Amino acid sequence: NAGVMQNPRHLVRRRGQEARLRCSPMKGHSHVYWYRQLPEEGLKFMVYLQKENIIDESGMPKERFSAEFPKEGPSILRIQQVVRGDSAAYFCASSPRGSRGATDTQYFGPGTRLTVL
Amino acid sequence: SQQGEEDPQALSIQEGENATMNCSYKTSINNLQWYRQNSGRGLVHLILIRSNEREKHSGRLRVTLDTSKKSSSLLITASRAADTASYFCATASSGGSNYKLTFGKGTLLTVNP
Repeated sequence: NAGVMQNPRHLVRRRGQEARLRCSPMKGHSHVYWYRQLPEEGLKFMVYLQKENIIDESGMPKERFSAEFPKEGPSILRIQQVVRGDSAAYFCASSPRGSRGATDTQYFGPGTRLTVL
Repeated sequence: SQQGEEDPQALSIQEGENATMNCSYKTSINNLQWYRQNSGRGLVHLILIRSNEREKHSGRLRVTLDTSKKSSSLLITASRAADTASYFCATASSGGSNYKLTFGKGTLLTVNP
C-alpha cells in the first residue's frame, strides 16, 4: 500500500508565476489536509478537503491560494502570482474517515519544497 | 507560548543514552501526537495518545500525557544514531475542529555515535 504521494518534490518559480502542488492520498483515504512549514517552524494547517468538498479552509491565505480535491485525480493546491514569502515546504496528509468526531491518524506525504526566486 | 510548544529546542546526546522531549499546549485537546522529521523529509507518525490516556508505549518510545498541566513528554530509550531527527508534537483540539493539528516548532535531536 503506497503512502501519500506528492509531486513535484521540489518546485522553483519566479515571482508572479503560478505553482501547482499535487497530492495523492493513501489508498482508501478520502480526506486530505494541506499544511505549510516555513523554515525553522512547525507545520501550520491550511485546508481540509473531502472529495469535491472543502470542509475547512480557515488556514488558507484569503488571496492567491486555492485547493481542490476532485472526484477523480489528486488534490491540488494552487498558488497564483507567487511571492518570495510563499517559499516553504507544503505537506499533504490523508486519513481514512476524516477526524471530525473520530481520532484518525493523519499520514503525511514527503512534501513539496517551493522556492520562489 | 504557542500551542504544542516543544522543549528543549535542541538536544545532543550519545548513542545508548535516553532522550526526553517535552511539549506544552494551551487549549483542551482530543489527542496529542508525536511525529519525527528527518532533515528535508516528510513527517513520520510515531504515536498518538488520547486525552483520557496517561501513558503509552511503542517499542523504544514512551509517551506521557498530563492534561492537568497541559503537557506531554516523549522518551526515547537506548538512542541510536538513526534517531537523529526533529521531533514535533501536534495537538488535535477537542470540539468540532479536531482534524486541525497544531504543531510546535520541534526539538532537534542529535544522537552522536
